[in-house]
Amino acid sequence: DAGVTQSPTHLIKTRGQQVTLRCSPKSGHDTVSWYQQALGQGPQFIFQYYEEEERQRGNFPDRFSGHQFPNYSSELNVNALWLGDSALYLCASSLGTGDQPQHFGDGTRLSIL
Amino acid sequence: QQQVKQSPQSLIVQKGGIPIINCAYENTAFDYFPWYQQFPGKGPALLIAIRPDVSEKKEGRFTISFNKSAKQFSLHIMDSQPGDSATYFCAARDDYKLSFGAGTTVTVRA
Repeated sequence: DAGVTQSPTHLIKTRGQQVTLRCSPKSGHDTVSWYQQALGQGPQFIFQYYEEEERQRGNFPDRFSGHQFPNYSSELNVNALWLGDSALYLCASSLGTGDQPQHFGDGTRLSIL
Repeated sequence: QQQVKQSPQSLIVQKGGIPIINCAYENTAFDYFPWYQQFPGKGPALLIAIRPDVSEKKEGRFTISFNKSAKQFSLHIMDSQPGDSATYFCAARDDYKLSFGAGTTVTVRA
């Protein structure tokens, strides 16, 4: 039973560039949430996708956008990258009923030069 | 601002000791409180979770204590082992979204 998978595992970009990160949810899950984890801190909620729509959003600027596909996989896009976007980006999946735990992937480590 | 306050930032125990991690919150809309364990280079893994109508829950060597009136909850790791050395995060859920504490790095010495 495959867990949450994310790609790529590591990425290096320069300031001003754009990046796309990908996530495949755990088998049977239909909801995907994205989190940003800065070094030495807890994950911060970016947004959640359910039924291909953004269901809830955290305190992140519009430079952060996402998409969910009919097969429940998801993408996180970040535009106009700056140094402060360097972090581990985590994807978590769950069942859409709202009362189910979130299971995390191992993340994408994004470094901005 | 941090919606869930976690302490201590780090702690060291001997093998067999009981590390205790504490968390506090203010938002009474939180309805579910999970704990995650994270190893370097890995994502957080769900350890154990509790709902506010329960005061204690045990799963294996991990125990959550929950005090709804004080808005506090804690994780105890019984008979800790070197393999338990990791960073632990408490979290709280409000309307699908998880808010995390800042994490506690636990080191268990052999």
